[in-house]
Amino acid sequence: GENVEQHPSTLSVQEGDSAVIKCTYSDSASNYFPWYKQELGKRPQLIIDIRSNVGEKKDQRIAVTLNKTAKHFSLHITETQPEDSAVYFCAAIEGGSYIPTFGRGTSLIVHP
Amino acid sequence: NAGVTQTPKFRILKIGQSMTLQCTQDMNHNYMYWYRQDPGMGLKLIYYSVGAGITDKGEVPNGYNVSRSTTEDFPLRLELAAPSQTSVYFCASSYPGTDSNQPQHFGDGTRLSIL
Repeated sequence: GENVEQHPSTLSVQEGDSAVIKCTYSDSASNYFPWYKQELGKRPQLIIDIRSNVGEKKDQRIAVTLNKTAKHFSLHITETQPEDSAVYFCAAIEGGSYIPTFGRGTSLIVHP
Repeated sequence: NAGVTQTPKFRILKIGQSMTLQCTQDMNHNYMYWYRQDPGMGLKLIYYSVGAGITDKGEVPNGYNVSRSTTEDFPLRLELAAPSQTSVYFCASSYPGTDSNQPQHFGDGTRLSIL
């Protein structure tokens, strides 16, 4: 089955800095990679996703890159703000399965 | 749309008691999922359903049961509550789409303590 590793487990940055979270996956059949943000005590919410036919996707301060050859994808947050503080989860889904494999999460702390 | 609605939001159970966590979605999604999230940890899949009348085990199904009699509802049953089942439970749904995967939509969670 699929295995997703996520690093780092904790990331502490100053407001205005960039943050990068990286995930690697094992199953080359995975073709959909969503990222979720979970604020303390809240539900996970989708912030961005990427499909295997695309190498990069941006949405304002957030971007995701995918390297299919190396089997890794990364979340990039620029100009971080305190409200970006949360736990971020990556996931990989094999085509046709609809069952995501989640990473263990990254706790991002943005210091004012 | 209300999205995915979970009830109750909080519950305290005694060891050995039973309860049902309710989950309903109004997006006509085919796929529904139950996860548990222990403090500071990730999401572990308990059960999932690909449509009414069809359910399947996830990573940690022991101690739980589910049913899917309608597209909208996917209740999770705990028969004999144990302290190890203290956790936050999230229900989620997704629509598989015609040719690609789709993101999951999560409910607000049920915080369950077993004492």
